[in-house]
Amino acid sequence: DAGVTQSPTHLIKTRGQQVTLRCSPKSGHDTVSWYQQALGQGPQFIFQYYEEEERQRGNFPDRFSGHQFPNYSSELNVNALLLGDSALYLCASSPGLAGNIQYFGAGTRLSVL
Amino acid sequence: GQQLNQSPQSMFIQEGEDVSMNCTSSSIFNTWLWYKQDPGEGPVLLIALYKAGELTSNGRLTAQFGITRKDSFLNISASIPSDVGIYFCAGQLKGGSEKLVFGKGTKLTVNP
Repeated sequence: DAGVTQSPTHLIKTRGQQVTLRCSPKSGHDTVSWYQQALGQGPQFIFQYYEEEERQRGNFPDRFSGHQFPNYSSELNVNALLLGDSALYLCASSPGLAGNIQYFGAGTRLSVL
Repeated sequence: GQQLNQSPQSMFIQEGEDVSMNCTSSSIFNTWLWYKQDPGEGPVLLIALYKAGELTSNGRLTAQFGITRKDSFLNISASIPSDVGIYFCAGQLKGGSEKLVFGKGTKLTVNP
């Protein structure tokens, strides 16, 4: 049983570029949440998707957008990258809106130069 | 963004010693969770707490949900080298799949 998988594992971009990160949830999970973890900090909630809709959103600008596909996988898109967007981006999945155990993937390390 | 106050920031202990760390908030949480993160990995859930006053164990780990609902504690007994890592507390204002609010983490180093 595969857990939460994220791709790519590492990514290097330059300021102003756009990036897409991908997440496949744990088998049986239909809810996907995205978190940003800056170096030395705890993860910060970006947004959550359920039934292909954004259900909750944290305090992140509109440059951060996402999508969920019918197979429950999800993408995180960041436009007009800033140096401060450099971080580990974590995807977490859970079984439905009532399932309160979120399982995390290993993350995508994004470096913006 | 909102974060929980987690302390200590780091700990250096000898193998075999007990460890205590805590997390406080100005807000009431309905769920408290403790995660461990190893380098290059995502956080792994250790213990979940759902009721005020609840005391839950997972092997050598014990966590408590504070009766005020504004704090939680994690204890590790008889530490071993593989306990090394960063421990995060996380809270949920409501239940379900609501967003997790994390502390800044406690970095634990265990000297053999």
